[in-house]
Amino acid sequence: EVQLVESGGGLVKPGGSLRLSCVASGFSFSAYSMAWVRQAPGKGLEWVSSISNLHYPTYYGESVTGRFIISRDNAKNSLYLQMNSLRGEDTAVYFCARADCGGNCYLPFDYWGRGTLVSVSS
Amino acid sequence: SYVLTQPPSVSVAPGRTASITCGGANIGGKTVHWYQQKAGQAPLLVIYYDTDRPSGIPDRFSAFTSGNTATLTIATVEPGDEADYFCQVWNSGSPHPLVFGGGTKLTVL
Repeated sequence: EVQLVESGGGLVKPGGSLRLSCVASGFSFSAYSMAWVRQAPGKGLEWVSSISNLHYPTYYGESVTGRFIISRDNAKNSLYLQMNSLRGEDTAVYFCARADCGGNCYLPFDYWGRGTLVSVSS
Repeated sequence: SYVLTQPPSVSVAPGRTASITCGGANIGGKTVHWYQQKAGQAPLLVIYYDTDRPSGIPDRFSAFTSGNTATLTIATVEPGDEADYFCQVWNSGSPHPLVFGGGTKLTVL
């Protein structure tokens, strides 16, 4: 059974940093592109970042470019999101998602985790 | 940047057909995916590569894309179909290529 389990969310002050993790199981993690998607309270889905199964290339949403870094460790079946210079508008549930392909292919998202909540507030 | 426009809400009576649109410049030239998200849950892929259904998704769900509009159709709507629905594309060549529509809340009356 495919499982994606996020962790690392919490309360952080504006300007602070946080690192999210997503541990994958039930499939060959190294064969699939992965992504982070977020959802602010009461709002729609916003794509954050995607990474190829080959580690590169990586892509970022406009609102996080230059502040967030996506990475993966295929040996640990893990996806990461390093979030720096956090702002109030980064407050959201962050989902880890698997793309149903690898290589230079990033969609569709066929499996999702349950999400981890990031709150940015002083 | 590429924008996908969805109506904020659609209402339909049980047993009727619901249509949810997703507008984007030349979306017919792109591949569209659709997700269902029920309250408090993670999204669920319901249509991929414009028209295909993942296993377990009933054939009441269908979609087509033409010109500047993609449409998700749900036939014989059931109360359990009440959810938010999001369209999604990959806009190749853009520095920020993955785009979600703003989402449509489907209410079953």
